Amino acid sequence: EAGVTQFPSHSVIEKGQTVTLRCDPISGHDNLYWYRRVMGKEIKFLLHFVKESKQDESGMPNNRFLAERTGGTYSTLKVQPAELEDSGVYFCASSQDFWFSAGTPGSYGYTFGSGTRLTVV
Amino acid sequence: AQSVTQLGSHVSVSEGALVLLRCNYSSSVPPYLFWYVQYPNQGLQLLLKYTTGATLVKGINGFEAEFKKSETSFHLTKPSAHMSDAAEYFCAVSLTSGNTPLVFGKGTRLSVIA
Repeated sequence: EAGVTQFPSHSVIEKGQTVTLRCDPISGHDNLYWYRRVMGKEIKFLLHFVKESKQDESGMPNNRFLAERTGGTYSTLKVQPAELEDSGVYFCASSQDFWFSAGTPGSYGYTFGSGTRLTVV
Repeated sequence: AQSVTQLGSHVSVSEGALVLLRCNYSSSVPPYLFWYVQYPNQGLQLLLKYTTGATLVKGINGFEAEFKKSETSFHLTKPSAHMSDAAEYFCAVSLTSGNTPLVFGKGTRLSVIA
């Protein structure tokens, strides 16, 4: 089974430019998450898709960030215009729900991609 | 709200020595707890997780962690460090085992000295 794929692996852009990051989750995984790690700080949640719907976008830092997941498959995260403080590593993760026979929800857990290192200069 | 505290941003051990990476959490509900490892230039790899049941959890590469509810801790241990264990380790907590966001600690960088 292919893992979670992110590209590009690295991106260096100038302040004010636009960058689009892409994440291909494991096929069939309904849940897709974006996280970010700014240098020296913890990995922080950005948003959560369930299929094509945004379940939780409470971690998005501001309206310069736009995430989409068309058709519930791959997702893109666009930063426009990029600022210096947007530099960091952007991680994507996916997971798949299942239901126990008792009707309680469960999950097989999260699988992370290798991340995109974004440098804004 | 949930939070994770990892004591020590950098830990150094000698090869063959015990590895102990500390993690304390706060959660208003029974937590799901995870340890991830990131090797240089790679993504986050799951080491182990606690969901329910046995509080001592064994993971990959000889690591294990024990969930102690009374101490709100989930420390990661390995009896004997290998050079290949040098990496950054992240403790994380979630409300569920996969369909809610993870909350991460700041990470601990482990160095192994020959």
